[in-house]
Amino acid sequence: KAGVTQTPRYLIKTRGQQVTLSCSPISGHRSVSWYQQTPGQGLQFLFEYFSETQRNKGNFPGRFSGRQFSNSRSEMNVSTLELGDSALYLCASSFVGEGGEQYFGPGTRLTVT
Amino acid sequence: DAKTTQPTSMDCAEGRAANLPCNHSTISGNEYVYWYRQIHSQGPQYIIHGLKNNETNEMASLIITEDRKSSTLILPHATLRDTAVYYCIAGAAGNKLTFGGGTRVLVKP
Repeated sequence: KAGVTQTPRYLIKTRGQQVTLSCSPISGHRSVSWYQQTPGQGLQFLFEYFSETQRNKGNFPGRFSGRQFSNSRSEMNVSTLELGDSALYLCASSFVGEGGEQYFGPGTRLTVT
Repeated sequence: DAKTTQPTSMDCAEGRAANLPCNHSTISGNEYVYWYRQIHSQGPQYIIHGLKNNETNEMASLIITEDRKSSTLILPHATLRDTAVYYCIAGAAGNKLTFGGGTRVLVKP
């Protein structure tokens, strides 16, 4: 099976702009979660989508949003970018069932200047 | 998710077993113990998980104490490619993962 794919892999944006990141889960996985990783805060949970509905949400401002499509692919959007949004954004997919282990993609490295 | 406590770092000799401890004394009955690792700048990699029983797969073994308050991840024959940050997480299945600081493992030749 193909793994989780994320596009783009690298992105440079300017403060105030918005950005959309994409994630394609492993075939058959219906849950997609997003995480932010920074040197200062480590890995932090953003939100999780299952069957096109947001099921869990972390403690991030409303500038961070996401959605999931009927084919389980997911996008996350960050509006009004701030310098502190520079991070590695990771997507993980899981098969909802016993265990529910998550499989991560390679991440999108976002740099805000 | 229950809080987990892991050593900040540890070294291991190549070819020897690496034993990574994790304390999760407040784990509740429906929470699994998950182990992930992250090699520099890559996405975290799932290793193994368990609820009550010890588990083994092609990567590692997971030993959970009878009271479930702690666990040990065992890498049977560490290689240089096992150098990574290892995260122990206690959480409900299908829920968000709460990552702590992890254990930075350095495998030395």
